Amino acid sequence: QVQLVQSGAEVREPGASVRVSCKASGFTFTNYYMHWVRQAPGQGPEWMGIINPTGDSTSYAQKFQGRVTMSRDTPTSTVYMELSSLRSEDTAVYFCARGAIEIPAAGTFDYWGQGTLVIVSS
Amino acid sequence: AIRMTQSPSSLSASTGDRVTITCRASHGIRSYLAWYQQKPGKAPNLLIYSASTLQNGVPSRFSGSGSGTDFTLTISFLQSEDFAIYYCQQYFSYPYTFGPGTKVDIK
Repeated sequence: QVQLVQSGAEVREPGASVRVSCKASGFTFTNYYMHWVRQAPGQGPEWMGIINPTGDSTSYAQKFQGRVTMSRDTPTSTVYMELSSLRSEDTAVYFCARGAIEIPAAGTFDYWGQGTLVIVSS
Repeated sequence: AIRMTQSPSSLSASTGDRVTITCRASHGIRSYLAWYQQKPGKAPNLLIYSASTLQNGVPSRFSGSGSGTDFTLTISFLQSEDFAIYYCQQYFSYPYTFGPGTKVDIK
């Protein structure tokens, strides 16, 4: 069965960076786009960006441009999201999500990781 | 960016009720609209894509309609497991954006 298992919670000081991992299993990893979505406490989800199946192309929401880097490692079926210059407003649960592959659904997220809480506090 | 709004922000209903949630996009998005259900402490779960197509395994009491800028999610016969927050999401253009959510709780 499809599983996306994320790394554990992180606490960082303002100005620091954080890297969250997401290990995939149960599907052909190299066939799927992967996304990162975050959700601040009490807020709706917020899309951060996408990485293509081969890992050589990314697209980031303008809000995160210059601060976020998404990457993937095929041998371990793992995707990564690194966010730098953290501020308190980055406190949120960060999710990886698989992009649906069927044409009408491409752009939706059919499987999600369990989420990783990132707290930014001094 | 395309802004998504939802109404109402919350509603109270009883099991067996018919519930309708509205989502509006700031620009036309054709039918590139999805609905998700989220329960406390869990990731969102895809219910509907392409405005009206049920994701595999989603009960038929859920239905969606609309195109362009106005969309609806209907739960025809509310069950206890349906009390949750519902989000719409547009995937017409980057950045993909979500609505602020509609919380459905028990009357």
